[in-house]
Amino acid sequence: DSGVTQTPKHLITATGQRVTLRCSPRSGDLSVYWYQQSLDQGLQFLIQYYNGEERAKGNILERFSAQQFPDLHSELNLSSLELGDSALYFCASSTDSEQGYGYTFGSGTRLTVV
Amino acid sequence: AQKVTQAQTEISVVEKEDVTLDCVYETRDTTYYLFWYKQPPSGELVFLIRRNSFDEQNEISGRYSWNFQKSTSSFNFTITASQVVDSAVYFCALSEPDNNAGNMLTFGGGTRLMVKP
Repeated sequence: DSGVTQTPKHLITATGQRVTLRCSPRSGDLSVYWYQQSLDQGLQFLIQYYNGEERAKGNILERFSAQQFPDLHSELNLSSLELGDSALYFCASSTDSEQGYGYTFGSGTRLTVV
Repeated sequence: AQKVTQAQTEISVVEKEDVTLDCVYETRDTTYYLFWYKQPPSGELVFLIRRNSFDEQNEISGRYSWNFQKSTSSFNFTITASQVVDSAVYFCALSEPDNNAGNMLTFGGGTRLMVKP
């Protein structure tokens, strides 16, 4: 157990729907990151939050949004889902917002859009 | 822009063979960090090593060793006496501190290692 908890582990939904993925970071970690792993795009950085504030943004679609709550858990919202959004979504956490600190990844949420 | 290339998409070896996974990176910064992660069939990403750009010493951890060469922008990973449990996808990743992009990791495409008994 890495200490980073992601729920649900699996999610199957239809095109056009909206889903919310949840992440609880390791105790003491202030930064939360979201990554998408798909067959064609590989592992791509989506967004980072540090202590409730957005810190960095990657290749995140406008249909996707995220937030980090006061208790430091984070949610990734995916809307108007398309078949191409099917992927493994990872959350990771670290103690510091700055460079070089290794992440601890959660076990991922596998999203299947049908 | 930063970039990580893992040219070997798939490697197959027989148990007890040594195997080296290649990683080549591109960065304009003098300060950066390199990582290797393992993704076993169960899907989670497991941290293996972190190396900063100022530390070119090779590292050994059991059957695992890493060779960092700034001159060739490479950070290769060797598994000695491979075992079936080493079968996984291995990712090399890069982090640059000066790009004002938080703590983003740029991952290579991964190398799938299959160790046959």
